[in-house]
Amino acid sequence: DAKTTQPPSMDCAEGRAANLPCNHSTISGNEYVYWYRQIHSQGPQYIIHGLKNNETNEMASLIITEDRKSSTLILPHATLRDTAVYYCIDPSNTGNQFYFGTGTSLTVIP
Amino acid sequence: ETGVTQSPTHLIKTRGQQVTLRCSSQSGHNTVSWYQQALGQGPQFIFQYYREEENGRGNFPPRFSGLQFPNYSSELNVNALELDDSALYLCASSLTGYGEQYFGPGTRLTVT
Repeated sequence: DAKTTQPPSMDCAEGRAANLPCNHSTISGNEYVYWYRQIHSQGPQYIIHGLKNNETNEMASLIITEDRKSSTLILPHATLRDTAVYYCIDPSNTGNQFYFGTGTSLTVIP
Repeated sequence: ETGVTQSPTHLIKTRGQQVTLRCSSQSGHNTVSWYQQALGQGPQFIFQYYREEENGRGNFPPRFSGLQFPNYSSELNVNALELDDSALYLCASSLTGYGEQYFGPGTRLTVT
């Protein structure tokens, strides 16, 4: 079963930052949290992962709270192509045998 | 560098039949995982293969079986197809059994 909690849906205006929260209160101390997104009917796309420090790459930033019980994925300037379902994954004790929840459906509005 | 590829793209089968889906992993990746995604749901983990051995299995019956070849490509076999097996089947590869994995485009299976 998925070990994370995410809001089912969010809207974001084009050009604004999209902040997607995730609760992973049972994450193990040495496990990374992973973020993927899935554009309609395509395979999930890897976005970013992190352990305890904040991470940034060309796609997004990941902010992890100090207690590691939650994180926020930030898309700094959302575009219409960012409309997708975003999944936060806590793989605790399963390696990368990922258990996906239902994710957050992000809609970027023109 | 070639990404993860899957074949066929779409497939229609009749209840009771058997199906084989194929996956070619990304170059250099020795671990392949298979997922089933029903409409409106997140992907569900079926099983994982690491260096030709099954390395973990989700909550799926034995009629779901797999194989990994020496070149690390993989097959998913489903016997005695049921209507509920209609789904998008996703394959993902990774360097090891840990870390990020990269997904293929999926095979859409319809069972009638």
